[in-house]
Amino acid sequence: AIQMTQSPSSLSASVGDRVTITCRASQGIRNDLGWYQQKPGKAPKLLIYAASSLQTGVPSRFSGSGSGTDFTLTISSLQPEDFATYYCLQDYNYPLTFGGGTKVEIK
Amino acid sequence: EVQLLESGGGLVQPGGSLRLSCAASGFPFSSYAMSWVRQAPGQGLEWVSGISVSGGSTYYADSVKGRFTISRDNSKNTLYLQMNTLRAEDTAVYYCAKDPTIRIEIDYWGQGTLVTVSS
Repeated sequence: AIQMTQSPSSLSASVGDRVTITCRASQGIRNDLGWYQQKPGKAPKLLIYAASSLQTGVPSRFSGSGSGTDFTLTISSLQPEDFATYYCLQDYNYPLTFGGGTKVEIK
Repeated sequence: EVQLLESGGGLVQPGGSLRLSCAASGFPFSSYAMSWVRQAPGQGLEWVSGISVSGGSTYYADSVKGRFTISRDNSKNTLYLQMNTLRAEDTAVYYCAKDPTIRIEIDYWGQGTLVTVSS
């Protein structure tokens, strides 16, 4: 199975900060990667698909980049509603695998 | 409105069995592959199993292979997960979701159902 290594596992940031989260795949996955946001008690919500495509309705402060094995999610200016946990997911092949998650907390 | 409504969760003893159901509405269920994803308390997301449109192809995480069986009934717009030989580490909220491998941008999730494996 492809391993997805996500970092950091948590971070503290202030409103307005630029935040970067990375995910590394144990083998090449082309651009078959999505980024999800999850808030407590809720189902995950897709933010970015195909590594860099913004999901409909998601604010443009979210962006994704990368291909092959290294991927990045960037929040250009953190907003109060962005405090949540973020996960990457490789949909290149089965079994699908998520990264370990990054909890974004208020500084 | 798209709805995925899971049911069948609850408390079960180690070694026991449970069958989860997911009733779909508001979208062409029979046109999409589907998946189950779980989340243990305070932990991250884990993809569990996926099934093709026809049900002819099924896929499993190594952690559940041989114990869990995914199936679907397109005439009833329902997805199932038969869970046997349950272990404490299977305790989690189980989400039904549209499988992301095709058209990942179509993002449908249920609200989840809690499975607790404990004596």
